Order: sequence, then C-alpha cells, then structure tokens
Amino acid sequence: SYELTQPPSVSVSPGQTARITCSGDALPKQYAYWYQQKPGQAPVLVIYKDSERPSGIPERFSGSSSGTTVTLTISGVQAEDEADYYCQSADSSGTYRVFGTGTKVTVL
Amino acid sequence: QVTLRESGPALVKPTQTLTLTCTFSGFSLSTSGMCVSWIRQPPGKALEWLALIDWDDDKYYSTSLKTRLTISKDTSKNQVVLTMTNMDPVDTATYYCARIVHSSGFDPWGQGTLVTVSS
Repeated sequence: SYELTQPPSVSVSPGQTARITCSGDALPKQYAYWYQQKPGQAPVLVIYKDSERPSGIPERFSGSSSGTTVTLTISGVQAEDEADYYCQSADSSGTYRVFGTGTKVTVL
Repeated sequence: QVTLRESGPALVKPTQTLTLTCTFSGFSLSTSGMCVSWIRQPPGKALEWLALIDWDDDKYYSTSLKTRLTISKDTSKNQVVLTMTNMDPVDTATYYCARIVHSSGFDPWGQGTLVTVSS
C-alpha cells in the first residue's frame, strides 16, 4: 500500500524556522495537505493543495512541493505551534487517501 | 458554520460489529463536490484513513480494511454511517469524521469518539 514518510520529530527554538518534510512516490501527481494536531484535540487543516493556506491560519505556515517531497514550513515558530503535524495525500489514482507517519514539533 | 459530530458505543467486544454515526450541519451531502470521510487514530499513533462517501454515493475504502467496512449516507438526516465488522482490540482508537469539498482537504473534523475493544 502507498505510504507517506515524515521525520518522527523536529525541534526548534522560538522565532526560528521549522521545516517538516513528507515523501511519497505519487506526490508529483497528487496534492498534499497538512494538519496540525494538539494533544486531546482533533486535527486542523493548515495547508491545502500543496501551498494554499485556509482562512484563519497564520501566515507563518507555508507549504511547498518539489518532486516526490512536500514541505511544511513554520517561520518564526511560537510556543503554541508545538504539536503533531501530519501530511496527507492520495495514491496515484487519486482514489485512496493516505496520511503520513506524523512529526512531533517541539519548541525548545 | 460547518460542524460534524461522531456518535456510537464507547466499548465493543471482540468479534462484534461497530456502528458509528457522523451527524453534520452547515452543508448538504447532495451538493456536488461534497464528501464525508472517516479517519481513526489509535492511542499515541498516527492517523489512518478508513473510508469516504461522496455526493454521488460513490464509496471508497482503505485497501487494508475494505472487507470489514461499509459506509452509507442518509442525506435527509444529514448523517453518514460507518460499520466495521469483526472488531479486534487493535481497532481501539479515536474515530473521526471530516468533510471534504472538492480538493480542499479534510476540513473541518468532528471532535472524535473513542472506541475501546475489550471483552
């Protein structure tokens, strides 16, 4: 089955930039989405269609795509950004959705 | 305002069938492009996509679970129902439903419902 691979963890100091990668063979053909999940809460969409930001999401969240890797960038990280982040996409046919393995972002 | 809420049993026994209901408001599942999906998350683990139903009643299932899952909708009640057969302790998880509009991603999500499988 299709898989999306993320680093297990990323640590960053306040005010610095955090970058989270997500790799998958079908990413050149399918959009990627990013979700933020804080403990005990449901996930929240922070990036859609690779690089679009939903209304209400701070500008410090951005997304990019290059080949089989997509990246979520959090610029000027704040303490409130500490959370788990998941990428999501679909297989090459676009039929089956899949989530990445998840990345825990720790703000030092 | 779009909201979704999951409901169902908190505890099921092994081999039983789980039935979960997603009740939503703020949109119609008969509108072109609208979809509702189910996702689960075992304690301390990653999200796992389960199933999706669209406005045209097309249904899609996780390849690893498709033999155990059935998704259906009742447009008049604004509900989507997921059944999962032959429950096992490894199916213990928080189950979420979420809306998808065209290629907009899962947004928003329900609060989730924890289902524990134990005898």
